[in-house]
Amino acid sequence: GQQVMQIPQYQHVQEGEDFTTYCNSSTTLSNIQWYKQRPGGHPVFLIQLVKSGEVKKQKRLTFQFGEAKKNSSLHITATQTTDVGTYFCAGRLGNEKLTFGTGTRLTIIP
Amino acid sequence: DAGVIQSPRHEVTEMGQEVTLRCKPISGHNSLFWYRQTMMRGLELLIYFNNNVPIDDSGMPEDRFSAKMPNASFSTLKIQPSEPRDSAVYFCASSPPLAGGYNEQFFGPGTRLTVL
Repeated sequence: GQQVMQIPQYQHVQEGEDFTTYCNSSTTLSNIQWYKQRPGGHPVFLIQLVKSGEVKKQKRLTFQFGEAKKNSSLHITATQTTDVGTYFCAGRLGNEKLTFGTGTRLTIIP
Repeated sequence: DAGVIQSPRHEVTEMGQEVTLRCKPISGHNSLFWYRQTMMRGLELLIYFNNNVPIDDSGMPEDRFSAKMPNASFSTLKIQPSEPRDSAVYFCASSPPLAGGYNEQFFGPGTRLTVL
């Protein structure tokens, strides 16, 4: 079945440093979504990428979809304490259900 | 909009008891998902419904788990009998009809289940 892996599983960064999480699928995806879950909270949708090689930005967050549509990344520039949480990618194959990645838990050292 | 509503928010029960989790999706959404989240296994899709019909229940762990969606505004996830390994946070999510391939999922606050 479709598998979506994320690395790293955990990341500790000093406040102000950059952070990147990578998402890899075993199959080509029709689209990929990213979610953020704050500690004790629920996943909240951030963005969806559809096109091969697509890049989207939300303030300090940059999302990329690979040319082969099998991988994606989320990069946060100059992290802040409000960025703390677990970031999930979720891939969709055709009209199949979303498959969530394993998540990357980001902690910020003030 | 009230968002996805789940009840109860917390449930503590003893092994062997029946547990029923409830979900009210966002009005107008036609897909509903039940997820389970644990530290060990992450976020797992248990079952999802489209237009009240179960589409994929391959994630349901075993026969002790069952889910129903009698109408567009209500769904239940039942565990009978419950076991300590069922302890987890259970999320319900809903999404609107697919439009141009774009349909994010809106998650409820979750039910934290502890089985003693």
